[in-house]
Amino acid sequence: NAGVTQTPKFQVLKTGQSMTLQCAQDMNHEYMSWYRQDPGMGLRLIHYSVGAGITDQGEVPNGYNVSRSTTEDFPLRLLSAAPSQTSVYFCASSRGRTDYNEQFFGPGTRLTVL
Amino acid sequence: AQSVTQPDIHITVSEGASLELRCNYSYGATPYLFWYVQSPGQGLQLLLKYFSGDTLVQGIKGFEAEFKRSQSSFNLRKPSVHWSDAAEYFCAVVLLASGGSYIPTFGRGTSLIVHP
Repeated sequence: NAGVTQTPKFQVLKTGQSMTLQCAQDMNHEYMSWYRQDPGMGLRLIHYSVGAGITDQGEVPNGYNVSRSTTEDFPLRLLSAAPSQTSVYFCASSRGRTDYNEQFFGPGTRLTVL
Repeated sequence: AQSVTQPDIHITVSEGASLELRCNYSYGATPYLFWYVQSPGQGLQLLLKYFSGDTLVQGIKGFEAEFKRSQSSFNLRKPSVHWSDAAEYFCAVVLLASGGSYIPTFGRGTSLIVHP
């Protein structure tokens, strides 16, 4: 199994550009989540999904959209990038509820917005 | 709102020395508690977790953690640190959100530096 994969690994955008961060998992996990990691801030939840067709907002959803058309994929869209979105983005998945199930993390995407 | 506090931003230890990383949470009930480790340039990996029962839990790589309800703490320990343990460590708590889903909250992390 490849686990959780994320593309691209690095990305530089200009303010106002749009892009999609890709996330896929091959473990048939129901739950998938997107986090951003900023220095001194730990990980903050952006959006999450409890199954195909179901998404919800996390702690910091503004400026980001998600969809979950399949179990495997959970892309994160930045519609109009801002410098405040410069961060490292992690996608994670878990077999079931995240209260007691381990989350498996992808390697991250480092995004810089100029 | 729930919160997780890791009071130490950096900790430096010598190889072979013991280690304790602190984690405190603020919530009335007992949450689900996790410790994750992040090696440079990598995603997070689960070290151990606590839900109920024995308050001392064992994890991978020789780590253990003790839940103390009276102190709202879940400190991570290792008796003898190896150079490969140098990494960022995150404590996380998971509570039931108003919408019925479980939302993890992560601490800010503690960076472990290991001197030879």
